[in-house]
Parts: sequence; C-alpha cells; structure tokens
Amino acid sequence: DIQMTQSPSSLSASIGDRVTITCRASQSLGSYLNWYQQKPGKGPKLLIYAASTLQSGVPSRFIGSGSETDFTLTISGLQPEDFATYYCQQSYSTPYTFGQGTKLEIK
Amino acid sequence: EVQLVESGGGLVQPGGSLRLSCAGSGFTFSSFAMNWVRQAPGKGLEWVSYISSSSAIIYYADSVKGRFTISRDNAKNSLYLQMHSLRDEDTAVYYCARRHYSTSSFDYWGQGTLATVSS
Repeated sequence: DIQMTQSPSSLSASIGDRVTITCRASQSLGSYLNWYQQKPGKGPKLLIYAASTLQSGVPSRFIGSGSETDFTLTISGLQPEDFATYYCQQSYSTPYTFGQGTKLEIK
Repeated sequence: EVQLVESGGGLVQPGGSLRLSCAGSGFTFSSFAMNWVRQAPGKGLEWVSYISSSSAIIYYADSVKGRFTISRDNAKNSLYLQMHSLRDEDTAVYYCARRHYSTSSFDYWGQGTLATVSS
C-alpha cells in the first residue's frame, strides 16, 4: 500500500495569512494526488485534483503543486470559511490512501 | 445539482450485519464509478470500496475484504454496501463518493451515515 504522510497535523493562522500543507507519498504517484477540505459534520469537498488542477467553483486562492512523491497545498489570503481540516489522497492505485489530515485553526 | 444521500446506518451488535444505501441525483448515475469511504469518530478518512459504472470492476480495502460487498442498481440510481461480521472497529461515518469523470479523484460526497457497532 502507498503511505501518505501529511504535515503539519495542525496549524494556527490568521485571516489573510498564507499557509502551506505538505504531503509526501511512499512511492511515486505521477500527478495522481488530490486535496480535500472537510468541515465538521460534513462530507469532504474536492479542492484540487491531479496535483494542481482546481476543481470547478473552488476559489483561486487554493493552489496545488508538486509531482512524484512531494506535494503541497497553499492557501493564499485565508478567509474565515477556510478554517477546516484538509486531507491529501493518492488515486494512483488501490487502496486509495489518505493523509492523516491537517486541522487549520484560527489564531 | 449533484446530490448523494446515504442511509441505513444505525446501532448493531458485533458480528451483526447492516446494509447502507446511497441515492444519487442530479447526474447520470450509470455513467460514473462510485466509492465508499469511512471515517471513525475523531479520525481520518479511510477508503473502503470502489465499483465501476457497470459493476464489472470492484475493489475492497483489505480491512473489509470478505465481509463487505459493494453493489449498485443503475435503474434505481443507487449504490449499496452490505456489511457482515461487523466489528467494533467498523464504527464510522460512511460516505459515498462519486469518481470524477476523467480522473480518479472523488468529486462529490454525501453527508454520511453513522454505523455504530457495539454491544
């Protein structure tokens, strides 16, 4: 199975800040890496697919980058609605494993 | 508007069975592969199972293989997860998620249904 290591596990930031979350895979994924946002009591929401493609309707302040084994999600100009938990996921091969999550909290 | 609505969760004793359902609307259900993903209380996401649009291809996580069965009825726009021999560690919110039309990401998710395994 492909292991996904996400960091940090939690992060405190202020409105307007820029934050970066990293995700490392145990083997090369090409660009088969996705990012999701989850708010309490809700199902996850797809933000970025194929490492850097913004899902329709997602604000452009969300930026995905990387390839092979190292990926990042950057959020520029944090908005109140961005405080949530973020997960990376590899869709290169089954089982489709997720990172352990990054909880983004208001400072 | 794409909607996925799960149902069928509840309290079941260890060793028992439960059948989850997911109703899709707002899209051509028969054209999309589907997945089940679960989340134990306070924990992260765990992929459970995948089924192709025609049901020809099915995958399971090792943790549920031999105990869970995924299926779908395209005429009813519905996805199912039959769960047998349930264990405490199967307690989770179960989400159905649609596979993106051109990538293997999950582009729409339901709100989830809670399955609790406890005596």
